[in-house]
Amino acid sequence: EIVLTQSPGTLSLSPGERATLSCRASQSVGSTYLAWYQHKPGQAPRLLIYGASSRATGIPGRFSGSGSATDFTLTITRLEPEDFAVYYCQQYGSSPYTFGQGTKLEIK
Amino acid sequence: QVQLQESGPGLVKPSETLSLTCSVSGGSLSSYYWNWIRQPPGKGLEWIGHIYYSGTTNYNPSLQSRVTITVDTSKNQFSLKLSSVTAADTAVYYCARQDSRGWYRFDYWGQGTLVTVSS
Repeated sequence: EIVLTQSPGTLSLSPGERATLSCRASQSVGSTYLAWYQHKPGQAPRLLIYGASSRATGIPGRFSGSGSATDFTLTITRLEPEDFAVYYCQQYGSSPYTFGQGTKLEIK
Repeated sequence: QVQLQESGPGLVKPSETLSLTCSVSGGSLSSYYWNWIRQPPGKGLEWIGHIYYSGTTNYNPSLQSRVTITVDTSKNQFSLKLSSVTAADTAVYYCARQDSRGWYRFDYWGQGTLVTVSS
Protein backbone atom coordinates (compact mmCIF):
# COMPACT_ATOMS: atom_id res chain seq x y z
CA GLU A 1 0.00 0.00 0.00
CA ILE A 2 1.27 3.46 -0.90
CA VAL A 3 1.33 5.76 2.10
CA LEU A 4 0.88 9.46 1.42
CA THR A 5 2.27 11.90 3.97
CA GLN A 6 1.09 15.48 3.83
CA SER A 7 2.84 18.45 5.38
CA PRO A 8 2.33 20.60 7.22
CA GLY A 9 -0.57 19.26 9.25
CA THR A 10 -1.89 22.77 9.75
CA LEU A 11 -1.01 25.91 7.81
CA SER A 12 -1.97 29.31 9.22
CA LEU A 13 -2.01 32.08 6.63
CA SER A 14 -3.85 35.29 5.85
CA PRO A 15 -6.01 36.05 2.81
CA GLY A 16 -3.84 37.24 -0.05
CA GLU A 17 -0.88 35.10 0.97
CA ARG A 18 0.51 32.09 -0.91
CA ALA A 19 -0.01 28.54 0.36
CA THR A 20 2.27 25.63 -0.44
CA LEU A 21 1.10 22.14 0.56
CA SER A 22 3.23 19.03 0.23
CA CYS A 23 2.36 15.39 -0.39
CA ARG A 24 5.06 12.74 -0.24
CA ALA A 25 4.50 9.13 -1.30
CA SER A 26 6.18 6.05 0.18
CA GLN A 27 6.83 4.80 -3.35
CA SER A 28 6.57 6.21 -6.82
CA VAL A 29 3.12 7.26 -7.98
CA GLY A 30 2.44 7.68 -11.66
CA SER A 31 1.81 11.40 -12.21
CA THR A 32 -1.38 10.54 -14.03
CA TYR A 33 -2.84 9.17 -10.82
CA LEU A 34 -2.29 11.89 -8.23
CA ALA A 35 -5.14 14.20 -7.24
CA TRP A 36 -5.80 17.00 -4.77
CA TYR A 37 -9.15 17.70 -3.10
CA GLN A 38 -10.57 20.55 -1.05
CA HIS A 39 -12.88 19.46 1.76
CA LYS A 40 -15.14 21.64 3.85
CA PRO A 41 -17.31 20.41 6.77
CA GLY A 42 -20.62 18.95 5.68
CA GLN A 43 -19.68 19.06 2.00
CA ALA A 44 -18.44 16.59 -0.56
CA PRO A 45 -14.73 16.66 -1.29
CA ARG A 46 -14.10 18.85 -4.33
CA LEU A 47 -11.65 17.72 -6.99
CA LEU A 48 -9.11 20.48 -7.58
CA ILE A 49 -6.21 18.85 -9.42
CA TYR A 50 -5.83 15.53 -11.24
CA GLY A 51 -2.90 14.08 -13.07
CA ALA A 52 -0.71 15.96 -10.58
CA SER A 53 -1.05 19.25 -12.47
CA SER A 54 -4.34 19.49 -14.39
CA ARG A 55 -7.02 21.72 -12.94
CA ALA A 56 -10.50 20.23 -12.74
CA THR A 57 -13.44 21.93 -14.41
CA GLY A 58 -14.33 25.25 -12.82
CA ILE A 59 -11.29 25.43 -10.53
CA PRO A 60 -9.76 28.93 -10.37
CA GLY A 61 -6.32 29.55 -11.80
CA ARG A 62 -4.86 30.37 -8.38
CA PHE A 63 -4.77 26.61 -7.70
CA SER A 64 -1.88 24.73 -9.29
CA GLY A 65 -0.29 21.33 -8.82
CA SER A 66 3.17 20.07 -9.57
CA GLY A 67 5.50 17.19 -8.88
CA SER A 68 6.23 13.64 -9.92
CA ALA A 69 7.25 10.24 -8.59
CA THR A 70 7.12 10.67 -4.80
CA ASP A 71 6.92 14.43 -4.26
CA PHE A 72 3.91 16.54 -5.13
CA THR A 73 2.89 20.10 -4.32
CA LEU A 74 -0.36 22.04 -4.32
CA THR A 75 0.08 25.80 -4.53
CA ILE A 76 -2.61 28.37 -3.92
CA THR A 77 -1.56 31.87 -4.86
CA ARG A 78 -3.37 34.84 -3.30
CA LEU A 79 -5.60 33.02 -0.82
CA GLU A 80 -9.29 33.90 -0.86
CA PRO A 81 -11.51 33.55 2.26
CA GLU A 82 -13.28 30.56 0.71
CA ASP A 83 -9.99 28.67 0.32
CA PHE A 84 -9.66 27.93 4.02
CA ALA A 85 -10.45 24.23 4.32
CA VAL A 86 -8.79 20.83 4.59
CA TYR A 87 -6.83 19.61 1.57
CA TYR A 88 -6.15 15.97 0.75
CA CYS A 89 -3.92 14.34 -1.81
CA GLN A 90 -4.90 10.96 -3.24
CA GLN A 91 -3.19 8.33 -5.35
CA TYR A 92 -5.26 6.06 -7.52
CA GLY A 93 -2.58 4.36 -9.57
CA SER A 94 -2.08 1.46 -7.21
CA SER A 95 -4.74 -0.45 -5.32
CA PRO A 96 -5.72 0.14 -2.61
CA TYR A 97 -6.18 3.79 -3.46
CA THR A 98 -4.99 5.94 -0.59
CA PHE A 99 -5.32 9.47 0.72
CA GLY A 100 -2.98 11.63 2.70
CA GLN A 101 -4.00 12.55 6.23
CA GLY A 102 -4.84 16.10 5.16
CA THR A 103 -3.53 19.63 5.63
CA LYS A 104 -5.80 22.07 7.41
CA LEU A 105 -5.47 25.55 5.94
CA GLU A 106 -6.68 28.02 8.56
CA ILE A 107 -6.98 31.77 8.75
CA LYS A 108 -4.18 33.40 10.69
CA GLN B 1 -25.07 17.88 -14.15
CA VAL B 2 -24.25 14.56 -12.55
CA GLN B 3 -25.40 14.20 -8.94
CA LEU B 4 -24.80 11.42 -6.46
CA GLN B 5 -26.88 10.90 -3.33
CA GLU B 6 -26.18 8.42 -0.54
CA SER B 7 -29.05 6.91 1.42
CA GLY B 8 -29.51 4.37 4.16
CA PRO B 9 -29.88 3.92 7.92
CA GLY B 10 -27.97 6.39 10.05
CA LEU B 11 -27.72 3.97 12.96
CA VAL B 12 -26.58 0.35 12.84
CA LYS B 13 -26.11 -2.04 15.74
CA PRO B 14 -22.76 -3.71 16.37
CA SER B 15 -22.31 -7.06 14.56
CA GLU B 16 -25.03 -6.17 12.05
CA THR B 17 -24.67 -5.23 8.38
CA LEU B 18 -24.40 -1.65 7.20
CA SER B 19 -26.26 -1.08 3.91
CA LEU B 20 -26.07 2.08 1.82
CA THR B 21 -27.22 3.00 -1.66
CA CYS B 22 -25.87 5.70 -3.98
CA SER B 23 -28.37 7.04 -6.49
CA VAL B 24 -26.93 8.64 -9.61
CA SER B 25 -28.84 11.28 -11.57
CA GLY B 26 -27.91 13.34 -14.63
CA GLY B 27 -25.83 10.57 -16.17
CA SER B 28 -25.51 6.87 -16.81
CA LEU B 29 -23.52 4.33 -14.84
CA SER B 30 -21.97 3.09 -18.06
CA SER B 31 -18.23 3.30 -18.59
CA TYR B 32 -17.39 4.47 -15.10
CA TYR B 33 -16.11 3.04 -11.85
CA TRP B 34 -18.32 3.72 -8.83
CA ASN B 35 -16.56 4.12 -5.51
CA TRP B 36 -17.25 4.13 -1.80
CA ILE B 37 -15.03 6.16 0.52
CA ARG B 38 -15.45 6.82 4.24
CA GLN B 39 -14.22 9.26 6.85
CA PRO B 40 -14.36 8.38 10.55
CA PRO B 41 -14.95 11.33 12.87
CA GLY B 42 -11.81 13.43 13.16
CA LYS B 43 -9.86 11.23 10.77
CA GLY B 44 -8.90 11.15 7.11
CA LEU B 45 -10.45 9.56 4.05
CA GLU B 46 -10.34 5.81 3.45
CA TRP B 47 -11.13 4.17 0.12
CA ILE B 48 -13.45 1.18 0.61
CA GLY B 49 -13.70 -0.13 -2.93
CA HIS B 50 -15.30 0.28 -6.31
CA ILE B 51 -17.39 -1.45 -8.93
CA TYR B 52 -17.32 -1.11 -12.69
CA TYR B 53 -20.71 -0.64 -14.30
CA SER B 54 -20.42 -4.20 -15.67
CA GLY B 55 -20.05 -5.57 -12.13
CA THR B 56 -16.30 -6.07 -11.68
CA THR B 57 -15.21 -5.12 -8.17
CA ASN B 58 -12.02 -4.11 -6.39
CA TYR B 59 -11.93 -3.80 -2.60
CA ASN B 60 -9.51 -2.42 -0.04
CA PRO B 61 -7.80 -5.48 1.47
CA SER B 62 -8.32 -4.03 4.94
CA LEU B 63 -12.10 -4.41 4.49
CA GLN B 64 -12.34 -7.06 1.79
CA SER B 65 -13.64 -9.85 4.00
CA ARG B 66 -16.62 -7.73 5.07
CA VAL B 67 -17.45 -5.62 1.99
CA THR B 68 -19.77 -6.20 -0.93
CA ILE B 69 -20.45 -3.56 -3.60
CA THR B 70 -23.17 -4.19 -6.16
CA VAL B 71 -24.61 -2.23 -9.08
CA ASP B 72 -28.14 -1.94 -10.45
CA THR B 73 -27.98 -0.26 -13.83
CA SER B 74 -31.76 -0.40 -14.25
CA LYS B 75 -32.16 1.87 -11.22
CA ASN B 76 -28.95 3.85 -11.84
CA GLN B 77 -27.76 2.92 -8.37
CA PHE B 78 -24.95 1.10 -6.68
CA SER B 79 -24.80 -0.18 -3.13
CA LEU B 80 -22.47 -0.96 -0.27
CA LYS B 81 -22.82 -3.68 2.32
CA LEU B 82 -20.40 -3.90 5.23
CA SER B 83 -20.92 -6.83 7.56
CA SER B 84 -20.08 -7.42 11.22
CA VAL B 85 -19.75 -3.72 11.97
CA THR B 86 -18.15 -2.30 15.09
CA ALA B 87 -17.82 1.20 16.48
CA ALA B 88 -14.73 1.60 14.31
CA ASP B 89 -17.02 1.61 11.26
CA THR B 90 -18.73 4.79 12.43
CA ALA B 91 -18.01 7.29 9.68
CA VAL B 92 -19.35 9.56 7.00
CA TYR B 93 -19.71 7.40 3.90
CA TYR B 94 -19.28 8.97 0.46
CA CYS B 95 -19.95 7.63 -3.00
CA ALA B 96 -17.97 8.93 -5.97
CA ARG B 97 -17.67 8.48 -9.72
CA GLN B 98 -14.35 7.62 -11.35
CA ASP B 99 -13.32 7.78 -15.01
CA SER B 100 -12.53 4.39 -16.50
CA ARG B 101 -10.35 5.82 -19.26
CA GLY B 102 -7.73 8.52 -19.51
CA TRP B 103 -7.26 10.33 -16.22
CA TYR B 104 -9.25 8.05 -13.90
CA ARG B 105 -10.43 11.09 -11.98
CA PHE B 106 -12.84 10.97 -9.05
CA ASP B 107 -14.86 13.83 -10.47
CA TYR B 108 -18.27 13.68 -8.80
CA TRP B 109 -18.97 12.92 -5.15
CA GLY B 110 -22.07 12.65 -3.01
CA GLN B 111 -22.57 14.85 0.03
CA GLY B 112 -21.94 11.94 2.36
CA THR B 113 -24.07 10.23 4.96
CA LEU B 114 -23.16 9.66 8.59
CA VAL B 115 -23.51 6.10 9.84
CA THR B 116 -23.15 5.50 13.55
CA VAL B 117 -22.57 2.02 14.92
CA SER B 118 -24.05 1.79 18.38
CA SER B 119 -26.40 -0.39 20.38
